[in-house]
Amino acid sequence: GAVVSQHPSWVICKSGTSVKIECRSLDFQATTMFWYRQFPKQSLMLMATSNEGSKATYEQGVEKDKFLINHASLTLSTLTVTSAHPEDSSFYICSARGIGRYNEQFFGPGTRLTVL
Amino acid sequence: AQSVAQPEDQVNVAEGNPLTVKCTYSVSGNPYLFWYVQYPNRGLQFLLKYITGDNLVKGSYGFEAEFNKSQTSFHLKKPSALVSDSALYFCAVRDGAAGNKLTFGGGTRVLVKP
Repeated sequence: GAVVSQHPSWVICKSGTSVKIECRSLDFQATTMFWYRQFPKQSLMLMATSNEGSKATYEQGVEKDKFLINHASLTLSTLTVTSAHPEDSSFYICSARGIGRYNEQFFGPGTRLTVL
Repeated sequence: AQSVAQPEDQVNVAEGNPLTVKCTYSVSGNPYLFWYVQYPNRGLQFLLKYITGDNLVKGSYGFEAEFNKSQTSFHLKKPSALVSDSALYFCAVRDGAAGNKLTFGGGTRVLVKP
């Protein structure tokens, strides 16, 4: 149990376009989902926390208009990188947390974004 | 505020030898402590966690960690390392009294040589 998937696993896009990344909890209901960003050889930096049906809470320094997060259901959250630029190239990882035995963060496999 | 320190960027160990990856933490309330492993271009895999109870926690793949409150440490150990244990290891802490947020250490790269 506690499987989290991400789609796509990698994406290459042109500068100025928008990219949507999906995060799904496959076998539990995620009341909270988290989005992280990881630069090469660095640790994970929390970008935002989202609760199902409400607006995401962004960490300091993260542009909410650039990184749009939607947590429309208990099994799906999406991160949209709008007007992507090369500096947005990174590894994006989501995690999901539920209740009961799922009351911890379970991580997705990550999405590698490359902006040309 | 909560923080995690992993003092070693890299640990090298010969296969079959004991492996230790160090972690110290700072948190206001009760610490919930975690270890994760990351292989190249992959997400994080959960190894073990300490919430309460026995200070020695056993986890996946033969790993264990010992919670030491006085030293605010949660070092990861494995008695006999395998080449396949070569990966990036992250320690993380959450304040049990407040919020969801996990704070990660900077990571330690483990290289196990045959």
